Amino acid sequence: DGGITQSPKYLFRKEGQNVTLSCEQNLNHDAMYWYRQDPGQGLRLIYYSQIVNDFQKGDIAEGYSVSREKKESFPLTVTSAQKNPTAFYLCASSRRLAGGRYEQYFGPGTRLTVT
Amino acid sequence: GQQVMQIPQYQHVQEGEDFTTYCNSSTTLSNIQWYKQRPGGHPVFLIQLVKSGEVKKQKRLTFQFGEAKKNSSLHITATQTTDVGTYFCAGRRGGSEKLVFGKGTKLTVNP
Repeated sequence: DGGITQSPKYLFRKEGQNVTLSCEQNLNHDAMYWYRQDPGQGLRLIYYSQIVNDFQKGDIAEGYSVSREKKESFPLTVTSAQKNPTAFYLCASSRRLAGGRYEQYFGPGTRLTVT
Repeated sequence: GQQVMQIPQYQHVQEGEDFTTYCNSSTTLSNIQWYKQRPGGHPVFLIQLVKSGEVKKQKRLTFQFGEAKKNSSLHITATQTTDVGTYFCAGRRGGSEKLVFGKGTKLTVNP
């Protein structure tokens, strides 16, 4: 899916350090999302934002923080309070279309390893 | 909260056999989407369904949305090795921007 970039692809950190994952989209989508995926598991929602300067907690927000200062950007900070931060992090963006449909795309993801 | 259950968790087939994955929601959905994730990749959008009883086809893939808008299925006819991956369903409730994902069905195809 084009238009959403996440960097870096792989990230390694020591335990106790905060780390920020970037997500940028050029699709002019209003809503942006962060999901976490563990091996063999589905996607769990961390945070989402429907509009600039506003965001809501998802199902597993503890230990994470976000900001949405620009429409194009939705960075995720994994804090030292997150007990099991090693995972595959996926950013997505969407916009509502006519007829109850949505256009939603995922970025390529960042694989975070914390040791 | 809203839950989306997906079965089976794993499915191994011989090339040429059919494959089906099922998705059930605890609440009525306004919209359901299907994604495919190849090993090492990210979820790629396949299709979305919004109407009760809707059926859509993409070549060998058939997607259905139940009459009550609580369940959905993806059927692949005559699987090929290129179909390998994990298939996820994801549903939205009316008025919600949240997309809740099932845990996925991992499909492996033996050539």
